[in-house]
Amino acid sequence: AQSVTQPDIHITVSEGASLELRCNYSYGATPYLFWYVQSPGQGLQLLLKYFSGDTLVQGIKGFEAEFKRSQSSFNLRKPSVHWSDAAEYFCAVVPTGANNLFFGTGTRLTVIP
Amino acid sequence: ETGVTQSPTHLIKTRGQQVTLRCSSQSGHNTVSWYQQALGQGPQFIFQYYREEENGRGNFPPRFSGLQFPNYSSELNVNALELDDSALYLCASSLATGLETQYFGPGTRLLVL
Repeated sequence: AQSVTQPDIHITVSEGASLELRCNYSYGATPYLFWYVQSPGQGLQLLLKYFSGDTLVQGIKGFEAEFKRSQSSFNLRKPSVHWSDAAEYFCAVVPTGANNLFFGTGTRLTVIP
Repeated sequence: ETGVTQSPTHLIKTRGQQVTLRCSSQSGHNTVSWYQQALGQGPQFIFQYYREEENGRGNFPPRFSGLQFPNYSSELNVNALELDDSALYLCASSLATGLETQYFGPGTRLLVL
């Protein structure tokens, strides 16, 4: 079945530590890939997206993501986490031929001092 | 440039009632998509409107309906509310359909009792 999987429901990191959030997808053709962040009481904000080309994508707020076709993955990374990064992170795809987003179930990030 | 706005922010209804949620798209955007986000889940696509016509629909029953107006603002109507309709309803606008970035509003939180 077609799906977007975020295996980690909740991750806790210390401020200043590095971060990697995992995302795997299961679609016949490589979909278009996105990462969104949702702070409490807020809508979703786009961090970055991948359509084609360079497999390492830079986004806002110091985030980056790497597309790995062989692993059907699009993991989000940040070298040094700030307390303000605490939020819910969603990986999403737009499959080939579609015009809407399909989201994973999200990973909640907690940042401790 | 104003972002996507939604009203109301919160709403409480009882089972069987009808509800209308409203969304004003970002200036210049002609496409509006609606998503339902249940607690602890990722958003799920309800439908999309492009230039006042429905342009794709997710796996939601016909009691979920919508409208888009000439100014590209949009309404989501839900009839015969059920308890499982309790969720955060997100509206997103974009310049066009397809791979254009979707900008999300803060959402309307609906509680059905």
